[in-house]
Amino acid sequence: GAVVSQHPSRVICKSGTSVKIECRSLDFQATTMFWYRQFPKKSLMLMATSNEGSKATYEQGVEKDKFLINHASLTLSTLTVTSAHPEDSSFYICSARTGNSYNSPLHFGNGTRLTVT
Amino acid sequence: DQQVKQNSPSLSVQEGRISILNCDYTNSMFDYFLWYKKYPAEGPTFLISISSIKDKNEDGRFTVFLNKSAKHLSLHIVPSQPGDSAVYFCAASGGGNTPLVFGKGTRLSVIA
Repeated sequence: GAVVSQHPSRVICKSGTSVKIECRSLDFQATTMFWYRQFPKKSLMLMATSNEGSKATYEQGVEKDKFLINHASLTLSTLTVTSAHPEDSSFYICSARTGNSYNSPLHFGNGTRLTVT
Repeated sequence: DQQVKQNSPSLSVQEGRISILNCDYTNSMFDYFLWYKKYPAEGPTFLISISSIKDKNEDGRFTVFLNKSAKHLSLHIVPSQPGDSAVYFCAASGGGNTPLVFGKGTRLSVIA
């Protein structure tokens, strides 16, 4: 079946450094990928929609200069957390649809637990 | 303003009994609803969905009911199994390329 692979699963970094998270669609092409963030005991919050070959669309309140998204190919989207701070510590999850219809279910990666010290 | 609400943060059910997870929404433009299941340290996995033109969709032990007039949907799991213990997210979509809106999730614990 369709698989979305996310790497790394866990990362610990020092405050001020940047961290890159990769999201790959393994057996399908994804023109659009979605990046979510989950706070403890909170819902999944959409951060941005990653569009292959064009700029990402960011949700209100998400700093595009802090959370850089690159969708250079049909199977890879990356999220870079720049100049990370402890408040950026969170669980980041990417997802993609296998079909073109908006009713096609989203398939999620296993997420990345980011801890900024 | 939360458009998708799961008012029960947790639910405990005995193995073999029915689990009922509830979800309410406020946006009348939503026309497609999904349930996702999430284990700790993993991404959510798709469970079952329902279109607004239906009021029931069944897949094995899982059934989703939709009451459009009440803007309410529920997920029934019967019989519940210990492996069903997870966080369940309700999500809604308004069509086109609009993103899914998720509820906060309900943690289900199935006790053996």
